[in-house]
Amino acid sequence: GDSVTQMEGPVTLSEEAFLTINCTYTATGYPSLFWYVQYPGEGLQLLLKATKADDKGSNKGFEATYRKETTSFHLEKGSVQVSDSAVYFCALDNYGQNFVFGPGTRLSVLP
Amino acid sequence: GAGVSQSPRYKVAKRGQDVALRCDPISGHVSLFWYQQALGQGPEFLTYFQNEAQLDKSGLPSDRFFAERPEGSVSTLKIQRTQQEDSAVYLCASSLVVSGPNYEQFFGPGTRLTVL
Repeated sequence: GDSVTQMEGPVTLSEEAFLTINCTYTATGYPSLFWYVQYPGEGLQLLLKATKADDKGSNKGFEATYRKETTSFHLEKGSVQVSDSAVYFCALDNYGQNFVFGPGTRLSVLP
Repeated sequence: GAGVSQSPRYKVAKRGQDVALRCDPISGHVSLFWYQQALGQGPEFLTYFQNEAQLDKSGLPSDRFFAERPEGSVSTLKIQRTQQEDSAVYLCASSLVVSGPNYEQFFGPGTRLTVL
């Protein structure tokens, strides 16, 4: 079945550091790919998405490119802030039915 | 506009009790999903409705779990004879469209269930 793998956390960075959170997937066909973020005490929020190969999703300084050849959708940000501290989930869309989520990566950004 | 809401936000049950968790999706959203999120894990799919039809319940872990959406809006997830392994956050999500480039699921804040 479809699955999503993402790097183990927690990830701890200093403010203004560069962030990469790796995500790879296994799926039949051409799923859409998503990054969701869960801030402390809040629900899941869509961060960005890409619906086809080579698409780049971007939002709030974060970006991720849908790479079909490497089945990857790595999340990057050039300069993280303390307010980016959260848990980040990579997910794929099983053709409009359920999402398949990765296990999440907790990011802590220190001032 | 209101997002997806869930109630209660927290529920403590004694083992063996029945519980009912409610989800109010965004008005007009066709699809509704339930997920179970164990501590430190990603959400895992439980069941999916399109309007009032339950199209997929393959993720429900046992026949103690039951979900309904009788009028195609509010949904209830019921767990009978709760067990400690049912302790988790139960997330509800809804989407306006069923597929395509604008497809996105909007999540509620979740109900944290603790079974003692």
